[in-house]
Amino acid sequence: AQTVTQSQPEMSVQEAETVTLSCTYDTSESDYYLFWYKQPPSRQMILVIRQEAYKQQNATENRFSVNFQKAAKSFSLKISDSQLGDAAMYFCAFLNTGNQFYFGTGTSLTVIP
Amino acid sequence: GAGVSQTPSNKVTEKGKYVELRCDPISGHTALYWYRQSLGQGPEFLIYFQGTGAADDSGLPNDRFFAVRPEGSVSTLKIQRTERGDSAVYLCASSLGPVFSYEQYFGPGTRLTVT
Repeated sequence: AQTVTQSQPEMSVQEAETVTLSCTYDTSESDYYLFWYKQPPSRQMILVIRQEAYKQQNATENRFSVNFQKAAKSFSLKISDSQLGDAAMYFCAFLNTGNQFYFGTGTSLTVIP
Repeated sequence: GAGVSQTPSNKVTEKGKYVELRCDPISGHTALYWYRQSLGQGPEFLIYFQGTGAADDSGLPNDRFFAVRPEGSVSTLKIQRTERGDSAVYLCASSLGPVFSYEQYFGPGTRLTVT
């Protein structure tokens, strides 16, 4: 079974600054997908960014980018120019080729004005 | 267009009762997932439908849990003889196809409280 570990239960960042959220995972598979999801208090999960394991290039989406280290099984999320609307729970997730998702326990991000 | 909707948004029931939770996916989405999110945890996979059939139900915790999707659209998660440990937010998500190719869209969840 795959496991996803988020070692930072809480993080905070000053508005306009940069923050990095950590995620590690454990798998014996070589083909998989990794995701970061945002969950605001409304509970609705929103996809932030995804990475295919076979791609060496790190994914980017506007202010969001990842640092994917396949050998180290690490998948961190960098948020640049943090905005108040970025405050939420962030979940790292692993998807195997069997269509099963595994989520971490989440990191609560606070953005300080 | 409309997103994934789930009803009810909140459900309080007594221990031992039967409950049904409904998920209306985005129109045309063939893949549908159910997850359970306990307090302070990430979502936990329960079951995955591709069309009308359950492609993978390995996440269902025991035989008190059952889900159907008879016409390949709306899905119902059914819990028999509810226990206090079943209290959680139940999330539904849908996608156009397999999620390694298509984005998964989540509903707002149903918060189930078993007293």
